[in-house]
Amino acid sequence: GAVVSQHPSWVICKSGTSVKIECRSLDFQATTMFWYRQFPKQSLMLMATSNEGSKATYEQGVEKDKFLINHASLTLSTLTVTSAHPEDSSFYICSARILDRGFLGTDTQYFGPGTRLTVL
Amino acid sequence: RKEVEQDPGPFNVPEGATVAFNCTYSNSASQSFFWYRQDCRKEPKLLMSVYSSGNEDGRFTAQLNRASQYISLLIRDSKLSDSATYLCVVNPSYGGGGADGLTFGKGTHLIIQP
Repeated sequence: GAVVSQHPSWVICKSGTSVKIECRSLDFQATTMFWYRQFPKQSLMLMATSNEGSKATYEQGVEKDKFLINHASLTLSTLTVTSAHPEDSSFYICSARILDRGFLGTDTQYFGPGTRLTVL
Repeated sequence: RKEVEQDPGPFNVPEGATVAFNCTYSNSASQSFFWYRQDCRKEPKLLMSVYSSGNEDGRFTAQLNRASQYISLLIRDSKLSDSATYLCVVNPSYGGGGADGLTFGKGTHLIIQP
């Protein structure tokens, strides 16, 4: 259980184009999904929190007009990198949250396989 | 001070040995703690959650020290397949709404040598 898929796995595009990345929770519903970015030899950095049916919450320094997030259903969140530039080349990873308010009280995120974006 | 700090390594350890590494976190109000494993050019995978009482899963043991704000991971009888980067991860809040993204350390690179 708790499988998260992400598409595409990798994409190479020209500067100025827009790229859409999909994140799906395959066997569970996720009211909250997260988008992270990882540059080479760096840690994952949270970009934004995607809440189903409401606007995403962006971390400081992340441009909301450049990184458009849509969380239209409980199993799908999309990240669109608009007018991509070479400095946007990175490994983009989504995660979906399972929050168990029961006895164990766990709050766990499961990650998609990531999308490697290269902007030429 | 960084929110989550880890020694980046690399730690070169012979197969079969026991290895441990720590991580410190700065937010004393942090609620949830995890160890994730990340292989080269792959996504992080949850290795284990870290509970206040400490927990063990096979060869892996995790400990949490809230007073000193550090988390540890112990790997016994290390295997070649344990070679990876181990990420210390902290969730600043539990069950709250809004931004509850995880805070990642940069990871500790472990190399198990035959």
